[in-house]
Parts: sequence; C-alpha cells; structure tokens
Amino acid sequence: EDQVTQSPEALRLQEGESSSLNCSYTVSGLRGLFWYRQDPGKGPEFLFTLYSAGEEKEKERLKATLTKKESFLHITAPKPEDSATYLCAVTNTGNQFYFGTGTSLTVIP
Amino acid sequence: NAGVTQTPKFRILKIGQSMTLQCTQDMNHNYMYWYRQDPGMGLKLIYYSVGAGITDKGEVPNGYNVSRSTTEDFPLRLELAAPSQTSVYFCASSTPGYTYNEQFFGPGTRLTVL
Repeated sequence: EDQVTQSPEALRLQEGESSSLNCSYTVSGLRGLFWYRQDPGKGPEFLFTLYSAGEEKEKERLKATLTKKESFLHITAPKPEDSATYLCAVTNTGNQFYFGTGTSLTVIP
Repeated sequence: NAGVTQTPKFRILKIGQSMTLQCTQDMNHNYMYWYRQDPGMGLKLIYYSVGAGITDKGEVPNGYNVSRSTTEDFPLRLELAAPSQTSVYFCASSTPGYTYNEQFFGPGTRLTVL
C-alpha cells in the first residue's frame, strides 16, 4: 500500500536554529515527490518536486533532498515567517497522489 | 490570473441534502483534482481529471461525483450528505507533461454536515 509518513508532527525552533523535516514513503513506481507549504486557512502552496534519488533543490532557506526511501526538507537559519505546516506528497504510475499528515513548524523570534 | 477559485467558502448541510462544490481555473491546465482534508490527516484524493470529458477515481471517491465538460471547470457533487463528509475540500490544477508539474490549489471550501 502506497503511503507517506512525515516526522516530526510538530517542531519548534528558535529563529536561526537550522533543522530538518523528514518524509518517508512507500510507493509502487514513484513518479514524483512534492513538498508544499500550507498556512492556516489556506490551500497548499507548491515548494519543490523531486523525481529521482540523489536529486536536490533549493529555494531561499529551504533545501529538499531525495533518497530511495525518504526525503528531507532542510531549513537553514529559519525566520518567523517560515512558520507553517509543511506537507509531503508522492505520485505513482497510476496517477494517484498520497499526502503525509504534515509537520507543523513554529519559528520563535 | 485568478488562479484556482472555489465556491462557496463555507457551507452547512443537513444530513441527506445534496450540493455542488464549484472549482474554476483560468490557467488553461488540463489536469484538475479534488481533495479533502480532515483535521490531523493528510489530503486525500477524491477524483481527478486529465482533460475535458475524462475523470477517474482517487483514493476516497465514495459519496461523490464529478464531471468535466470544460477545461476550466471541475465541479464536485455530494449526494445524500453524511456527517463523515464534514471536511475542508480543496481543488487543484496542474499542467500535464512527462514529469509531474506543481499543483496549484484553491483556497478551499469548509463543509459541515449536521
């Protein structure tokens, strides 16, 4: 069964304290792994797509990496405005999308 | 561009009532999706469409119906609403291609069934 597990469920960081969020997955025929950011009361906002093991992508303070079993979202020197829920999702060869339950990040000034 | 718009923003239904959630995108995207998001749970795919006239089931299609008569619109129909359908519903769209591109999400419809 295809599934996505994210950890930790919640993370509190001091401003400037770097950390990583984990997304582990099992999927039959991975076609893509996605990271989204979701603010309260809003729809998810796209951050990255990763397609193959070893791939890395960066955007401002965020860097996403992918292995055959998991992905990491590294946050370097976070700011309070990075506070949000970060969602991971995968899609398989059957056009199905599976989302994790997310990591709620709070960055304290 | 307005992107993906959804109406209504909020709705309260009684058990057994029916309603249609509207979704429109102005980005000329072929692919459109409906998800539901329950508290503490990940988004679950209900239905998706790869183009006008073509729809397919996602992970949790029971109790819902969809149609896609135009590229822009992808309405979700709830028949005989049940409390289990209380959720936040998100519509999304994306461009097709060999590799999957980003999904653009609407602001969501918060539905309560009492």
